[in-house]
Amino acid sequence: GENVEQHPSTLSVQEGDSAVIKCTYSDSASNYFPWYKQELGKRPQLIIDIRSNVGEKKDQRIAVTLNKTAKHFSLHITETQPEDSAVYFCAASSAGNQFYFGTGTSLTVIP
Amino acid sequence: GAVVSQHPSRVICKSGTSVKIECRSLDFQATTMFWYRQFPKKSLMLMATSNEGSKATYEQGVEKDKFLINHASLTLSTLTVTSAHPEDSSFYICSARASGIMNTEAFFGQGTRLTVV
Repeated sequence: GENVEQHPSTLSVQEGDSAVIKCTYSDSASNYFPWYKQELGKRPQLIIDIRSNVGEKKDQRIAVTLNKTAKHFSLHITETQPEDSAVYFCAASSAGNQFYFGTGTSLTVIP
Repeated sequence: GAVVSQHPSRVICKSGTSVKIECRSLDFQATTMFWYRQFPKKSLMLMATSNEGSKATYEQGVEKDKFLINHASLTLSTLTVTSAHPEDSSFYICSARASGIMNTEAFFGQGTRLTVV
């Protein structure tokens, strides 16, 4: 199956600074890469996704980049706010339709 | 967005008993649903893919006789933890994607906190 690695496992930033989380995947057939945010005790919620035919996608303060050749993709959060504090998971979806998640990044935004 | 409902949200059972967890897609049909297990402060580990009308596909290392999955309809998948033991205590969460549409987000249920005593 797919192997998704995510770094860093924890990240602390000052409010207003940017946060970057990186993921790599192993299956070259993977073609859909979502990012989920999970707050404590709650279900994961999609925040942004990117498909393999696109190299970059942006939604307000959140952007995702994808390098298919290198098999890595990254999440960028600009102008971070305390409410951005949560655990973020990247995922890769292959032709088999399953989602394989990264190990998660616990983001803390310090006011 | 679409809604996935999971029930129960919390369950405590005695060691040796079985527990059934339900996952329902409320406003869309889901040919495929996914079951995950999440340990505290850890990632979502895919356990199995539940396929409507056919057998589930289990990930390596997951005991299919221990974690029984039934996907009886396009809106319901169940996970039964059989002969539960304390080491089965965990957070179990399901997700579903709309049928016939590839490369779209998966919607998650609210999860089930299982405690085996």
